[in-house]
Amino acid sequence: RKEVEQDPGPFNVPEGATVAFNCTYSNSASQSFFWYRQDCRKEPKLLMSVYSSGNEDGRFTAQLNRASQYISLLIRDSKLSDSATYLCVVNRRTGNQFYFGTGTSLTVIP
Amino acid sequence: SQTIHQWPATLVQPVGSPLSLECTVEGTSNPNLYWYRQAAGRGLQLLFYSVGIGQISSEVPQNLSASRPQDRQFILSSKKLLLSDSGFYLCAWSVANYYEQYFGPGTRLTVT
Repeated sequence: RKEVEQDPGPFNVPEGATVAFNCTYSNSASQSFFWYRQDCRKEPKLLMSVYSSGNEDGRFTAQLNRASQYISLLIRDSKLSDSATYLCVVNRRTGNQFYFGTGTSLTVIP
Repeated sequence: SQTIHQWPATLVQPVGSPLSLECTVEGTSNPNLYWYRQAAGRGLQLLFYSVGIGQISSEVPQNLSASRPQDRQFILSSKKLLLSDSGFYLCAWSVANYYEQYFGPGTRLTVT
């Protein structure tokens, strides 16, 4: 079983729409959680960390559900510039590995 | 502020040739350093990580090696490239384990 699993999409949504991505992780010892954004042929860039109580950054909201072992990312009022691949990342307290999902592709359509 | 540099940005090499990719970090001390490879349409595969000078951990057996000769320098090498070594190579750093990682701009390697 993969450490991190994401729906690859693609998600095609109109401008202004709300879209949500989920990501499941297999190891209950996972302690740190992140969402990254990767544009085509570019490096991943940190979008936001995910905290136990959930957190918001402008139009982006991240949530963690430890009982069901998933994290989510909600994007409100989608912009054309939000088109990218969104990567879910988890890390355990022990060891030094970050586990990346394969990403969810989002295209925001005018 | 911290910055991470990688070079070259693009590289085309024949099969059997050697490889050396360099990554340097500025603005921080004793970072954790990582090398990843991303094949076309695939996820990131961790190749090596380092928690200090001369300390290298390899995650998968492969045709590559890594070295950390200085605190903020990480080098990825190969003696003889294979076709399967083609991909997007990314260096990353973090303050410590389970903190967020920051990536360099990457090197796109094509082995012909």
